[in-house]
Amino acid sequence: DQQVKQNSPSLSVQEGRISILNCDYTNSMFDYFLWYKKYPAEGPTFLISISSIKDKNEDGRFTVFLNKSAKHLSLHIVPSQPGDSAVYFCAATDNDYKLSFGAGTTVTVRA
Amino acid sequence: SQTIHQWPATLVQPVGSPLSLECTVEGTSNPNLYWYRQAAGRGLQLLFYSVGIGQISSEVPQNLSASRPQDRQFILSSKKLLLSDSGFYLCAWSSRGRLAGGTDTQYFGPGTRLTVL
Repeated sequence: DQQVKQNSPSLSVQEGRISILNCDYTNSMFDYFLWYKKYPAEGPTFLISISSIKDKNEDGRFTVFLNKSAKHLSLHIVPSQPGDSAVYFCAATDNDYKLSFGAGTTVTVRA
Repeated sequence: SQTIHQWPATLVQPVGSPLSLECTVEGTSNPNLYWYRQAAGRGLQLLFYSVGIGQISSEVPQNLSASRPQDRQFILSSKKLLLSDSGFYLCAWSSRGRLAGGTDTQYFGPGTRLTVL
């Protein structure tokens, strides 16, 4: 049973515009959430995380929003750049050493 | 700074052959270590994790096994590969977790592309 879901397999956005990636989870015990970026044939790179005690965390062009009541989080990338074209994974944990990953969203930034 | 290495980068093996993938971490001590597999077009599936030397927890029953002979070394093995073992294998490390004053963030290695023919 997949506890973390990324329902949009792909997203296309114009360079300079905002990219919004969404993620839903079902396990109410999750209290730490992460986003990773992955290029083909490479390992995922950690982007940004958020604890359940917050509803927003910002790092440069990346902002993660958490809505605990809706069990939903999103990643905003502003402005989108060509190098942002990659697969983005959402992940969550409840402090038992395991991360549960979504299936990923492929982002394509158009020039 | 911490770095994580995996080798080989790519591997093509016949069905029924053995497997050994190695992962080492530098720049940290007592890490938690993880093996994941990403099948084509799928997310990341946790296979094994380890919180210390000789301590291995398996998440998915299969013909793979893992060992941790040293603090910063994690090995993924199989005695006989199956076609279904093909995929992209990733090793990751994390600190000891929140209870030990760390975080749950995991950092991944470059991966090994395994093709079983």
